[in-house]
Amino acid sequence: DTGVSQDPRHKITKRGQNVTFRCDPISEHNRLYWYRQTLGQGPEFLTYFQNEAQLEKSRLLSDRFSAERPKGSFSTLEIQRTEQGDSAMYLCASSLTSGESYNEQFFGPGTRLTVL
Amino acid sequence: AQSVSQHNHHVILSEAASLELGCNYSYGGTVNLFWYVQYPGQHLQLLLKYFSGDPLVKGIKGFEAEFIKSKFSFNLRKPSVQWSDTAEYFCAVNALGSGYALNFGKGTSLLVTP
Repeated sequence: DTGVSQDPRHKITKRGQNVTFRCDPISEHNRLYWYRQTLGQGPEFLTYFQNEAQLEKSRLLSDRFSAERPKGSFSTLEIQRTEQGDSAMYLCASSLTSGESYNEQFFGPGTRLTVL
Repeated sequence: AQSVSQHNHHVILSEAASLELGCNYSYGGTVNLFWYVQYPGQHLQLLLKYFSGDPLVKGIKGFEAEFIKSKFSFNLRKPSVQWSDTAEYFCAVNALGSGYALNFGKGTSLLVTP
């Protein structure tokens, strides 16, 4: 499969625990994005990377959230001290920076987080 | 604040009916526009996109959309829907010069009945 992959697909945790999600983008894509989607809403932007540099962060990304892309390939999104309001689908997307598909974002299947 | 509005949250159509889903945005500058679809149990997929040029763009599966700059609109159309078009449809906008984030509408849930 050459698409965007995310792991795990589902995560159930208790309030106050830390969780980490992983995203593997399409191999030649150098931009990687994280979004959050709650029920009845469209995806909301959290942050994006160009190669290993985190270039933009949304106000939604509180200080409990941290994202990394250390080698410019896969990325991790960590949520510390989870709260029930963090329950959502976390989506990863990737894109090229040039060519015909420039700025077309390809989405992964998401990680569904449930905080009890 | 910048926003994307999708007017219809739930649409029910019979097979062969025509479809038009509205999308309006509030950005004043140059935009890239997208329609994504999410079939049940699947991830978001791109239906079509507008970057520049002909404002009438054609996408996959017989969908098309028209960019009307004066109305800040990018409505999605299909002349004859099929049961397999049952899905959630999202309009998204990227405001050029404001980063690469996509701003999505809340989505429209389409149910096509046989």
